[in-house]
Amino acid sequence: AQSVTQLGSHVSVSEGALVLLRCNYSSSVPPYLFWYVQYPNQGLQLLLKYTTGATLVKGINGFEAEFKKSETSFHLTKPSAHMSDAAEYFCAVTRRVNNNDMRFGAGTRLTVKP
Amino acid sequence: DAGVTQSPTHLIKTRGQQVTLRCSPKSGHDTVSWYQQALGQGPQFIFQYYEEEERQRGNFPDRFSGHQFPNYSSELNVNALLLGDSALYLCASTPIGNISFTGELFFGEGSRLTVL
Repeated sequence: AQSVTQLGSHVSVSEGALVLLRCNYSSSVPPYLFWYVQYPNQGLQLLLKYTTGATLVKGINGFEAEFKKSETSFHLTKPSAHMSDAAEYFCAVTRRVNNNDMRFGAGTRLTVKP
Repeated sequence: DAGVTQSPTHLIKTRGQQVTLRCSPKSGHDTVSWYQQALGQGPQFIFQYYEEEERQRGNFPDRFSGHQFPNYSSELNVNALLLGDSALYLCASTPIGNISFTGELFFGEGSRLTVL
């Protein structure tokens, strides 16, 4: 079975600083990996995804993530944090052949200080 | 293009009662998944429906049941409610066709259930 571990339940950065949210995965087959964002009282919105091909993937709002098979990691980064980035971020994994049991991490709450 | 819609948005029940939550998938999607998100936690997979049948189930008791209708909409039913069932229940849809499959789930805004 696949799973993800998000390191750090809370991350706080200053506006304009680098954002780094960590995610490690476990999967017995090549994975599909995702980062979702959740704003208060809302559902989850896809930020970016890795399926096949280029290991550095770019998403919305200036976020990007790199799939590193050797490290089983899929960390999320953004060069310069904005106040509007404050939200809960979830890493998720599913198997290639279907998505009927996508597994989410526990989430990382990002706070951006002015 | 309507996204995933869920109803009701909020509801309060007491222990032992039953609840039904509803979901309409995004246009063009035929597969619906349900997730439970407890406060401060990530979403936990409950089950997925395709072609009106349950395809896969997570680690949830039989008190949790579902249904999918011919128009692809879905219901989640929870019987004999416990305090621990208080959570945000999320519905997500996806197209199942192999050509368009990317694994991405499209989420609704959820139904927040409070059990007193």
